[in-house]
Amino acid sequence: DQQVKQNSPSLSVQEGRISILNCDYTNSMFDYFLWYKKYPAEGPTFLISISSIKDKNEDGRFTVFLNKSAKHLSLHIVPSQPGDSAVYFCAAINSGTYKYIFGTGTRLKVLA
Amino acid sequence: ETGVTQSPTHLIKTRGQQVTLRCSSQSGHNTVSWYQQALGQGPQFIFQYYREEENGRGNFPPRFSGLQFPNYSSELNVNALELDDSALYLCASSLGGAPANEKLFFGSGTQLSVL
Repeated sequence: DQQVKQNSPSLSVQEGRISILNCDYTNSMFDYFLWYKKYPAEGPTFLISISSIKDKNEDGRFTVFLNKSAKHLSLHIVPSQPGDSAVYFCAAINSGTYKYIFGTGTRLKVLA
Repeated sequence: ETGVTQSPTHLIKTRGQQVTLRCSSQSGHNTVSWYQQALGQGPQFIFQYYREEENGRGNFPPRFSGLQFPNYSSELNVNALELDDSALYLCASSLGGAPANEKLFFGSGTQLSVL
């Protein structure tokens, strides 16, 4: 039972354009969501997070949107840069537990 | 640089053997959790330790066990290795305590291959 889904395994975007990565979840008890970026041969690194009491959080070129009614979140990267090419994982947690649930990841390729 | 280091980086074992993976957490982080990432999948939660006590476990059998030490180091032990245990094992540390909605700092992982 995949509680966190990233339905697009890969995405290619031109440098300077917007990248939109999507994530859907099924568990309404999740109240905190995070995005991680992973380069080859490295562990995932934290990118941005959002609490369920918000619908948007921005950090520089990265913005995460949360639509609780649709159980959907998205990560927007504007403008996209070649260094953004990596695998992006969304993760969710119910703060009453200790278990982050990760999606299967989306491989982003930003073309120069 | 997350300050979380894992050893070894790669390991090859045969079915039925036992393995110990090691992690050194970021200084001051009281919580360590371990994740298994199979090829093409996202990380899956194995268990978490807070101040040397296990305080959360995922859907993994008892042959997966762990230890956390006072010096911010920890171990993941897997007994009776199976072919499906082949995966990247990630250690993550965090400040700890509740609530659990805080970011994890991951190491680079140990790639385990079971033949």
